Amino acid sequence: DVKVTQSSRYLVKRTGEKVFLECVQDMDHENMFWYRQDPGLGLRLIYFSYDVKMKEKGDIPEGYSVSREKKERFSLILESASTNQTSMYLCASSSPSENTEAFFGQGTRLTVV
Amino acid sequence: QKEVEQDPGPLSVPEGAIVSLNCTYSNSAFQYFMWYRQYSRKGPELLMYTYSSGNKEDGRFTAQVDKSSKYISLFIRDSQPSDSATYLCAMPRVTGTASKLTFGTGTRLQVTL
Repeated sequence: DVKVTQSSRYLVKRTGEKVFLECVQDMDHENMFWYRQDPGLGLRLIYFSYDVKMKEKGDIPEGYSVSREKKERFSLILESASTNQTSMYLCASSSPSENTEAFFGQGTRLTVV
Repeated sequence: QKEVEQDPGPLSVPEGAIVSLNCTYSNSAFQYFMWYRQYSRKGPELLMYTYSSGNKEDGRFTAQVDKSSKYISLFIRDSQPSDSATYLCAMPRVTGTASKLTFGTGTRLQVTL
């Protein structure tokens, strides 16, 4: 059974903290993605990575950074958490083909107080 | 204007009803059209995908694409309470480095007994 695993289901952090969200996939996929999901806005792409140590900005990268040191692991970093980063964060992985399925983790509900 | 528009609902129907979920898009470059289903507190999972105009059927589900109108639909026949979920349309676009999905906002469906 293929899997994308996110390290936490729920997180509560304080404003200004540095936050790490971890994601691991076991499908040997080249591509990995971080989305945030908000009511009325759907899934929005924050960053993606197409290879180890390679990354590109998505549609809403401000306030975030990422790290991919190993093929199976993709981390999202909130350098200084703010309340407007309270959201559901979803990690996904896929192979590079256009018609390929993206596999999602279960999501991390982050609350910044 | 968003690249992909989807009515967020919620949509409430009785068990056994036929459900129609729809998306419009503006980018003519989209070639593949996907529907993801997301249960509460879970990540999205691919339900169906189609290429080009026409219909594709899978059990109780039919995906329909009209490229001339830039309009896609998902029909659910004999809807069941287990179909209660958020349905997201998604369209991949290939950049130089990866295939990235553009999602609609999702339509929340509730099937009642």
